[in-house]
Amino acid sequence: EVQLVESGGDLVQPGGSLRLSCAASGFTFSTYWMSWVRQAPGQGLEWVASIKQDGSEKQYVDSVKGRFTISRDNAKNSLFLQLNSLRAEDTAVYYCGRVLRGDGDPFDIWGQGTMVTVSS
Amino acid sequence: EIVMTQSPATLSVSPGERATLSCRASQSVSRHVAWYQQKPGQTPRLLIYDASTGATGVPARLSGYGSGTEFTLTISSLQSEDFGVYYCQQYHKWPLTFGGGTKVEI
Repeated sequence: EVQLVESGGDLVQPGGSLRLSCAASGFTFSTYWMSWVRQAPGQGLEWVASIKQDGSEKQYVDSVKGRFTISRDNAKNSLFLQLNSLRAEDTAVYYCGRVLRGDGDPFDIWGQGTMVTVSS
Repeated sequence: EIVMTQSPATLSVSPGERATLSCRASQSVSRHVAWYQQKPGQTPRLLIYDASTGATGVPARLSGYGSGTEFTLTISSLQSEDFGVYYCQQYHKWPLTFGGGTKVEI
């Protein structure tokens, strides 16, 4: 079964850091672009970041550039998102998503999400 | 960035009726539009990509149409499992952007 399982979400103070993980199974992880998408409570979807199969290309939404870093470990079938300098507006459920085909494509597989709450 | 605008915000439809959801892009995105359904407490599900191609397992009563800046998702005969929020997304240019969603109420 194709599956993505996120972890690492937590309550963190403004200015703090967090590392999210996404474990992939049931498909050849190293052959897919992967992404993170977030959803603030009661709000819509916002794409956050994407990474190429070999990690050589990364894309970010402007609001997280310089604060968040996407990475992957193909040997461990894992995707990561390092969140630094967190702000209240980063509070959201963070989903990892498998990209359908090439770069920038839609997301055909989603994880169940992990909740990040930024509050003092 | 490309802004995706969805209308209406809420659509109330009776079972068996036809539902048409609209999505407009602020600039041409060719046919690089996808549609997702999200039910309360659940993960989004890919329904349509490349404006009109059905994703795996999507029933034929759902269809997508459009190119350039105007796109529609049509549910030909609404079933109870079709309720939820529908989002369009463009993947023509970075940053990838979503519309604000249309809530379909049965």
